[in-house]
Amino acid sequence: DAGVIQSPRHEVTEMGQEVTLRCKPISGHDYLFWYRQTMMRGLELLIYFNNNVPIDDSGMPEDRFSAKMPNASFSTLKIQPSEPRDSAVYFCASSYDRGANYGYTFGSGTRLTVV
Amino acid sequence: KNQVEQSPQSLIILEGKNCTLQCNYTVSPFSNLRWYKQDTGRGPVSLTIMTFSENTKSNGRYTATLDADTKQSSLHITASQLSDSASYICVVSVNTLGRLYFGRGTQLTVWP
Repeated sequence: DAGVIQSPRHEVTEMGQEVTLRCKPISGHDYLFWYRQTMMRGLELLIYFNNNVPIDDSGMPEDRFSAKMPNASFSTLKIQPSEPRDSAVYFCASSYDRGANYGYTFGSGTRLTVV
Repeated sequence: KNQVEQSPQSLIILEGKNCTLQCNYTVSPFSNLRWYKQDTGRGPVSLTIMTFSENTKSNGRYTATLDADTKQSSLHITASQLSDSASYICVVSVNTLGRLYFGRGTQLTVWP
């Protein structure tokens, strides 16, 4: 298994542009999580899915953020319009459960820079 | 309020030396605690998991301890190597719905 695959690895965009981050979870994992990591706040949960259904999106900072999971093997996180304060590393993770028993497998992240 | 606090924020040690990282939590009801290692430019990777009844667990040169009464955990690294340079993140899970709470990590640098 190749693990959780994220793309792109790096993204530099201008303020106001739309950004789409992509994630392929590990096959068989029923849960998918999107996290944002900054120096100031560490890892923050944005949203998570169970069997492709969004369960908790209370961590999504604003309406500019949206996430979808059209099937078990693909998810996207979209920011529109992007702002400089969105600059961070965005991680996708997947797991067999909510994370208590099996832990998470993280992707390598997407480093987003909004200028 | 459920929180996970880690100390120190950063640490520099010489290769071959031992070190101990600390994690204090106020998360309740407690389910388990994990230590993750995050290399630069990579996602976190789980090192150990400890449940309420476990006091010590080892993974090679990494030994984690848990005191559920005082809500403290430590990660001890023995005979450090350059490859141990990374951020170490403490993650605590609650029983209800299995929600995870992340510490902000300790940045460890091992010098030759």
